[in-house]
Amino acid sequence: AQTVTQSQPEMSVQEAETVTLSCTYDTSESDYYLFWYKQPPSRQMILVIRQEAYKQQNATENRFSVNFQKAAKSFSLKISDSQLGDAAMYFCAYFLEGTYKYIFGTGTRLKVLA
Amino acid sequence: SAVISQKPSRDICQRGTSLTIQCQVDSQVTMMFWYRQQPGQSLTLIATANQGSEATYESGFVIDKFPISRPNLTFSTLTVSNMSPEDSSIYLCSAATSGGTGDTQYFGPGTRLTVL
Repeated sequence: AQTVTQSQPEMSVQEAETVTLSCTYDTSESDYYLFWYKQPPSRQMILVIRQEAYKQQNATENRFSVNFQKAAKSFSLKISDSQLGDAAMYFCAYFLEGTYKYIFGTGTRLKVLA
Repeated sequence: SAVISQKPSRDICQRGTSLTIQCQVDSQVTMMFWYRQQPGQSLTLIATANQGSEATYESGFVIDKFPISRPNLTFSTLTVSNMSPEDSSIYLCSAATSGGTGDTQYFGPGTRLTVL
């Protein structure tokens, strides 16, 4: 069975600095998708970034980028120039094509210090 | 993308009663999903709701406790029946524009349920 592990329950970063959130997953499949979602205190889950496993190029969305290491089954999120509004729970999620199911990690709470 | 709204945003209910949560999407979607989330914890999938067919429930969740309706491509409801304090949680609705192809799921704002 597929699993997603986020080993950092909580992280802190100074405003304007860079932080990396870790995510590892376990799968024997080759075609899948990985996501990072942000959930601020308002509870609304917001998509941060999406990566197709068949793509070698790392996805980037403005200040957010991933380091996707398929062989190592690692999918870390880098947030550059951190802002106070980045403070939230971040969830890593795995999606296997054809299953209709997301598998979520346990989340990492990110604190941004002014 | 899809914009999803949920009603109610929060409710406090008495033990033994039922609550129906509504989920409305601003566009037609293939798949809708219902999750439960304890505060500060990860999401647990309750069921997947397809239009025109019965919902598919995950292990540990049954239709008698969590009946789901999906009358059209933009709307779904989840009922939490015969509630107990253990049902206190956040219930999230999500939707994907097509199924099984890695399409992004978009989430509603959630319903915070407290059962006394």
